[in-house]
Amino acid sequence: AQKITQTQPGMFVQEKEAVTLDCTYDTSDPSYGLFWYKQPSSGEMIFLIYQGSYDQQNATEGRYSLNFQKARKSANLVISASQLGDSAMYFCAMREAMFSGGYNKLIFGAGTRLAVHP
Amino acid sequence: DAGVIQSPRHEVTEMGQEVTLRCKPISGHDYLFWYRQTMMRGLELLIYFNNNVPIDDSGMPEDRFSAKMPNASFSTLKIQPSEPRDSAVYFCASSLRNTGELFFGEGSRLTVL
Repeated sequence: AQKITQTQPGMFVQEKEAVTLDCTYDTSDPSYGLFWYKQPSSGEMIFLIYQGSYDQQNATEGRYSLNFQKARKSANLVISASQLGDSAMYFCAMREAMFSGGYNKLIFGAGTRLAVHP
Repeated sequence: DAGVIQSPRHEVTEMGQEVTLRCKPISGHDYLFWYRQTMMRGLELLIYFNNNVPIDDSGMPEDRFSAKMPNASFSTLKIQPSEPRDSAVYFCASSLRNTGELFFGEGSRLTVL
């Protein structure tokens, strides 16, 4: 079974508009962390935002926010006021705690390619 | 501060040759990860180390792949012999215990002809 599912292979958004990138996850571990990374065409992996499973509030980092719905096991990334430089691949990832033997390894989804149009 | 440093950035080799990829993690980080990225399979975890000790190598595709971490500041991923299907971008990443994100290197793009 897929641990991390990103159902949107590609997304388009108009510059200055907001966009939501979907991510659902599967775990029986009570303690886990959820991450979003950005990979521009240059290839590097850039950390964007983190949400812990026990965090009461949704994480925010500048224009990035994470819409965390624990009961639905979803952790969608919201980018507000899109910029042309936001065009990239976006990966959702999960890190399980030691209870499931995860030992902190990060498992990635397949990614969503976002294109921002002027 | 220096980030994770990988070398070489690009490697083109012929099938059957040995390939060695190198990684220097961020100083003080006690976890080191090797990932492989391909179009078909996305980002796959190959192996990771904690305090220089391999913890999980279940992602290593086969015996042709091996990884070592002789000390806290250096790791290698070796492929011997290499095959065309090994062509991919190989990322090294490091992190500090249970806190937060992995810091990735810029990747090593391997092409096996």
